[in-house]
This record gives sequence, structure tokens and C-alpha cells, in this order.
Amino acid sequence: ETGVTQTPRHLVMGMTNKKSLKCEQHLGHNAMYWYKQSAKKPLELMFVYNFKEQTENNSVPSRFSPECPNSSHLFLHLHTLQPEDSALYLCASSQDVRGGSVTDTQYFGPGTRLTVL
Amino acid sequence: DQQVKQNSPSLSVQEGRISILNCDYTNSMFDYFLWYKKYPAEGPTFLISISSIKDKNEDGRFTVFLNKSAKHLSLHIVPSQPGDSAVYFCAASPRIGNQFYFGTGTSLTVIP
Repeated sequence: ETGVTQTPRHLVMGMTNKKSLKCEQHLGHNAMYWYKQSAKKPLELMFVYNFKEQTENNSVPSRFSPECPNSSHLFLHLHTLQPEDSALYLCASSQDVRGGSVTDTQYFGPGTRLTVL
Repeated sequence: DQQVKQNSPSLSVQEGRISILNCDYTNSMFDYFLWYKKYPAEGPTFLISISSIKDKNEDGRFTVFLNKSAKHLSLHIVPSQPGDSAVYFCAASPRIGNQFYFGTGTSLTVIP
């Protein structure tokens, strides 16, 4: 148990559906992240939020829409996804985002396994 | 272009022996390095880290070595145990900035 929870753990959706992934951290951290992990590829950073403000968007298609209402919660809203978006979506949190520091250590949730039909 | 590479997708080691997992990086601005361990159906779990001001960090059975001139780090597990069987990811962070760059992982199997 890392202190980061994600729901749902598994999700199957059609290309026309709208769904949301939820992440919650109980570590008192200020930064939260969304990653995508596809088979045989490194973790790809999607979004970074620091103190509820988005600080990074790694050229993610607009069919993925993040929301961070407070430092403890992070959502990823999904709409009109493509089959190639099927992957494991991981949420993480860290104390800070200053870079090159122990406060950067990220703690991950268990992930949501997404399948787009 | 991948800035962090783990060239061995898998490794098998006998229980009690040493496991050595390797990681190479290309960006000289990387300042902080971590190893994560991942079991199936779980998220990566932080294992051990090292800052570029050090060349070694030890935590129990786990030791991470950093060779800055070679842009190489390695994770040593001694002695290896069957419960260590998992996928191990290395990650690197630059001196400034909030992005971690991950390798593709090495799947370690410790044979009883």
C-alpha cells in the first residue's frame, strides 16, 4: 500500500464512451502525475499538477482531459478514445517538483488497466 | 529518443546469488536516479535512489551504483530471494524540472 489509490482498476470502453479515472493520494503531497504505460515501452508522462496547477502537458491528445480539484485528487476524463489508447494508466504523487531531489520521489498507485474496443 | 535505457529485458538468477540490473542514460543533466520494483497488477514501488553527488547508496540487500562518467547505474541485490522476482525500472530526473524519464524495465526471475 503506497498511499495512492486508483479507481477503477479495470475499464473497458467503446470509442464513443465517456469515462473518468480517479486517483487519490493520502500522503500530503503537493504534486500529482498521470502516466501511460504501453506494452514494451517506457512509462510516458502525460500530465503534472503542482498545487492544483497544471505544470506539464506532454503533447497529450485532447481526448484525454485531466482535472485536479485539490492536491489530493486527480482525475483523467476520457472521451472518443482510440484502440491504441489501451494501456495501463498510472497515477503518482510526490512531495515536490523541484527536480533532482529526494522530494521528487514519486509514489505510484496500482493503475487502471484500460481497454478501448 | 529514449534517454534512459535498460538493455536487458529479462534476467534469471539462482536464489542466494547476486542479481545485477543495469541502466544507461544519455542526458548529462540527470541529477537524481531511482529504482522502482513492479509486481504484476500493481503500480511501481519505490526501491532505492541515488543523487549524482554520490556513487553508491546501500539499503539492506539493495545497493545502487552510479558511474557518472559512463552514464551508467546498476542495482545489486544480494542475496537474491524468490520474492524479488518482479520488473525493475530505473528512472532519472534532471537537476531542474519535474519530469522523470523511465527505462523499459528488466524482468527479474529468482529461481528457488
